[in-house]
Amino acid sequence: NAGVTQTPKFQVLKTGQSMTLQCAQDMNHNSMYWYRQDPGMGLRLIYYSASEGTTDKGEVPNGYNVSRLNKREFSLRLESAAPSQTSVYFCASSDPGLGTEAFFGQGTRLTVV
Amino acid sequence: QKEVEQNSGPLSVPEGAIASLNCTYSDRGSQSFFWYRQYSGKSPELIMSIYSNGDKEDGRFTAQLNKASQYVSLLIRDSQPSDSATYLCAVNQDSSYKLIFGSGTRLLVRP
Repeated sequence: NAGVTQTPKFQVLKTGQSMTLQCAQDMNHNSMYWYRQDPGMGLRLIYYSASEGTTDKGEVPNGYNVSRLNKREFSLRLESAAPSQTSVYFCASSDPGLGTEAFFGQGTRLTVV
Repeated sequence: QKEVEQNSGPLSVPEGAIASLNCTYSDRGSQSFFWYRQYSGKSPELIMSIYSNGDKEDGRFTAQLNKASQYVSLLIRDSQPSDSATYLCAVNQDSSYKLIFGSGTRLLVRP
């Protein structure tokens, strides 16, 4: 049982390049989330998907797009990477309707140079 | 005003002492509250969840919730050096299922 799987674990991008971070969960959770974590900033919500077919902006959505491909998969896209997007990105899933906790992937460390 | 606020710390306590971590939130409609522990370089892991006013105990950990004051706390009894980590408070806004985290409190337990 893998839980929440993120790929890749590490990535270096040049300014202006694009990339997609992938996330998949096998716990049949309805809700999925993308966070970024910068030193001293805790986890800041980028986008979330309360259920399959819906996506909503979080606290820091600028510069990102998301796709809820199906119930299992939720991807995060950087169309034109900027150094300010250097961060650790976490994907999480939960079933808030059932009051379950959020489970996290192992994180993606992204550096934009 | 941030939706979930925590003191960034560090909070330094001697081994064996009680560590008290606090969190306030702004959305009165929130119903689900969580405390996560995060070691450096690792993913957050759940310590406690609480949904009703009052106290909830699990081993050395006690979560306290006061919805009227919009306040959540975590007490760690008999603190151990292995408890040294960042503790994140999270609040689920049940109207939208948006899960918001505070900035975390760094706890240092001195041997």
